Amino acid sequence: DAEITQSPRHKITETGRQVTLACHQTWNHNNMFWYRQDLGHGLRLIHYSYGVQDTNKGEVSDGYSVSRSNTEDLPLTLESAASSQTSVYFCASSNPRGGGDEQFFGPGTRLTVL
Amino acid sequence: DAKTTQPNSMESNEEEPVHLPCNHSTISGTDYIHWYRQLPSQGPEYVIHGLTSNVNNRMASLAIAEDRKSSTLILHRATLRDAAVYYCILRNSGGYQKVTFGTGTKLQVIP
Repeated sequence: DAEITQSPRHKITETGRQVTLACHQTWNHNNMFWYRQDLGHGLRLIHYSYGVQDTNKGEVSDGYSVSRSNTEDLPLTLESAASSQTSVYFCASSNPRGGGDEQFFGPGTRLTVL
Repeated sequence: DAKTTQPNSMESNEEEPVHLPCNHSTISGTDYIHWYRQLPSQGPEYVIHGLTSNVNNRMASLAIAEDRKSSTLILHRATLRDAAVYYCILRNSGGYQKVTFGTGTKLQVIP
């Protein structure tokens, strides 16, 4: 069955370190997304991609970067981790369908920055 | 994308219908109304979406007001597994720049 996976599921790191969170989908979806979820804020969009070599900034992109070298993967990199980036991160994917696309979400990565 | 407003929390008895409201008074003609839900410690899960007409699927029904400024997600018989946070979002075909899930409605199902 097609799926979307995230790794690691839990990560503890120190302030200033570079961290990369992996997202892999086997749906062959063109669209991929990264969200963060914090108490009191719901889910907020960090970056998204419409296809290979395409990346776009979302609502809260500062301090994060992504690259899309193939259809299946959209890794999220924190260049210099900050305590404010402690959060739960969700990856999602969808097939383009105008405004009617259904997003499939991964299980999430809980990141703690000390 | 336009903003949605939902109650913070609702309660329902098990096996009774649940009506979860969402207001979106600034909706544009090309905004789709989507509902997702998030079970504890899991990623969000798609429930249903619609544009103008009411929609039904195996999980729920979506009733859209005639002026499209509000919608209601209907769970026909709530089960304990339906206890989750329900998000109503608007998706425009123009892009994802301002998509936000907000804080949703936390549904508690009472046995």
